[in-house]
Amino acid sequence: DAKTTQPTSMDCAEGRAANLPCNHSTISGNEYVYWYRQIHSQGPQYIIHGLKNNETNEMASLIITEDRKSSTLILPHATLRDTAVYYCIVRVAPSNQGGKLIFGQGTELSVKP
Amino acid sequence: GAVVSQHPSWVICKSGTSVKIECRSLDFQATTMFWYRQFPKQSLMLMATSNEGSKATYEQGVEKDKFLINHASLTLSTLTVTSAHPEDSSFYICSARDLINEQFFGPGTRLTVL
Repeated sequence: DAKTTQPTSMDCAEGRAANLPCNHSTISGNEYVYWYRQIHSQGPQYIIHGLKNNETNEMASLIITEDRKSSTLILPHATLRDTAVYYCIVRVAPSNQGGKLIFGQGTELSVKP
Repeated sequence: GAVVSQHPSWVICKSGTSVKIECRSLDFQATTMFWYRQFPKQSLMLMATSNEGSKATYEQGVEKDKFLINHASLTLSTLTVTSAHPEDSSFYICSARDLINEQFFGPGTRLTVL
């Protein structure tokens, strides 16, 4: 699976949009971009995933560049409860049972009042 | 969404004893489950992949005789830390893959070895 690079930490003001970048320049054609987050002392929580089109759900939006070498997770209106470590993971398609979720260091997002 | 539970949520044991952690998929069948370990201020590290009815596959550097994994049914996998030592103290997290191969995580088990 391709390696990802994320900033170590970011701050965001409550109520503002949080934009979390991720570089995955070695991503291959059959690999998806997944985002999870981990609130302190809890298990990771799935946020969103995509292949090449932008995706949106009730939690966030995922913007993937046309060359697929980077992506941005957007939390449109960050709240204090969004403070967590956010992980960007590249893995093969869910239909491929060989795919594993390998976690990098992630971005520690602090949402401040 | 799919729910994965772990039991116990935390455990304290003496050095040299064995500890068993259970991971259950509550509302779906999981042919594959994963075990991760997380030390303070670090990311999750994949320890092993377990498939129902077969032996687990361990990641490089993980001792299979120390971390025994059993995946006896489609809803239950167990991790036994044998002869635990203080350096085994960690946050252990399991994950289960459903029939369309999406992966869901349990809440984690905090192990402290005295």
